[in-house]
Amino acid sequence: GEDVEQSLFLSVREGDSSVINCTYTDSSSTYLYWYKQEPGAGLQLLTYIFSNMDMKQDQRLTVLLNKKDKHLSLRIADTQTGDSAIYFCAEKYTGNQFYFGTGTSLTVIP
Amino acid sequence: DSGVTQTPKHLITATGQRVTLRCSPRSGDLSVYWYQQSLDQGLQFLIQYYNGEERAKGNILERFSAQQFPDLHSELNLSSLELGDSALYFCASSPTRELYEQYFGPGTRLTVT
Repeated sequence: GEDVEQSLFLSVREGDSSVINCTYTDSSSTYLYWYKQEPGAGLQLLTYIFSNMDMKQDQRLTVLLNKKDKHLSLRIADTQTGDSAIYFCAEKYTGNQFYFGTGTSLTVIP
Repeated sequence: DSGVTQTPKHLITATGQRVTLRCSPRSGDLSVYWYQQSLDQGLQFLIQYYNGEERAKGNILERFSAQQFPDLHSELNLSSLELGDSALYFCASSPTRELYEQYFGPGTRLTVT
């Protein structure tokens, strides 16, 4: 299966934490990724996690993976207005098949 | 700036026409990936080339083709264009054959009228 689902919109206040969620259907994914896309720009790789890990932290970003529930989340601490963008989760399967989620548009309210 | 360049930035053409999109990967990267991003289909993987050879194929239409040249730049050819081909086309590159990290270019916006 290649269904990767995300909620479409999220609004948070500046300084709060943001949590962006992603669910997927295929358990054979090997790597899971988070990308950020700002208006008019390409995708920027934020972080990725190997499928045998539960958590990865990178400065303000924390990725949590629940393989049993096929659920991936990205937590952004101390969210800033510059974090406003669309966030995509993506999965890599064997054979270099790569599937993106539908994207979550994050709006940070000053 | 990811180091991946794409030309042109914008392209407007008519149905039935053929266009070529160009991508130069980051220095040293051997793999190039092409993606299509549209409102109704989201971001879809089209095709991957590694060091000149086709490595993986996604949802690429038969009207579309790609190649990677000895200098590692890549071209995506879209022919018999339809209105539904209007989209952002992204190229990404990565250092190796297997995909662990990839770096995206700024995209080419194609409008078919």
